[in-house]
Amino acid sequence: AQSVTQLGSHVSVSEGALVLLRCNYSSSVPPYLFWYVQYPNQGLQLLLKYTSAATLVKGINGFEAEFKKSETSFHLTKPSAHMRDAAEYFCAVSDGQGAQKLVFGQGTRLTINP
Amino acid sequence: GAGVSQSPSNKVTEKGKDVELRCDPISGHTALYWYRQRLGQGLEFLIYFQGNSAPDKSGLPSDRFSAERTGESVSTLTIQRTQQEDSAVYLCASSLADGGTQYFGPGTRLLVL
Repeated sequence: AQSVTQLGSHVSVSEGALVLLRCNYSSSVPPYLFWYVQYPNQGLQLLLKYTSAATLVKGINGFEAEFKKSETSFHLTKPSAHMRDAAEYFCAVSDGQGAQKLVFGQGTRLTINP
Repeated sequence: GAGVSQSPSNKVTEKGKDVELRCDPISGHTALYWYRQRLGQGLEFLIYFQGNSAPDKSGLPSDRFSAERTGESVSTLTIQRTQQEDSAVYLCASSLADGGTQYFGPGTRLLVL
């Protein structure tokens, strides 16, 4: 069985500061890992995904994430936060085989302070 | 449209009533998924369709939940005899192929009174 834990249901940073959203996963097979963002009143949008290629994955809007097998982590970072980054962020894992049923974490709400 | 669409966007119903939620996937996407998002929680997988294969129903929480898909187009999720714990946002996603990136619709917000 697979699972995802997102540490911190709420994260607040100042505009221009580093964004770090934490995600740890559990998987018995090599995982595929995803970060999705949900802006207010909008559907989920894929930020980036890891599918066993490069361990450092770059996504949209300046976000990136690094797959660390030894730490079973896939933390999301952005060097400088913008007000428009305020949203809910979800980390997800799948087994990458056949139907990719995604197992999601509980989400982290990111607030940007001016 | 270019994206996944869902209807209705909001649904309020009384306990015990049946509801039908609709999903229109992106044209050409063979895989279709339903998820449920309860307030303050992550998404839970419900059911998956891929082409003409038998659907994967392993996430359906009870026999009150069912879903159908016509070919590679529209899907409907039906909840019979709704309960208050069914209140959630129901999200549909589609992907180009088995295992492809999933694109999500805006969801249907269901409130059972």
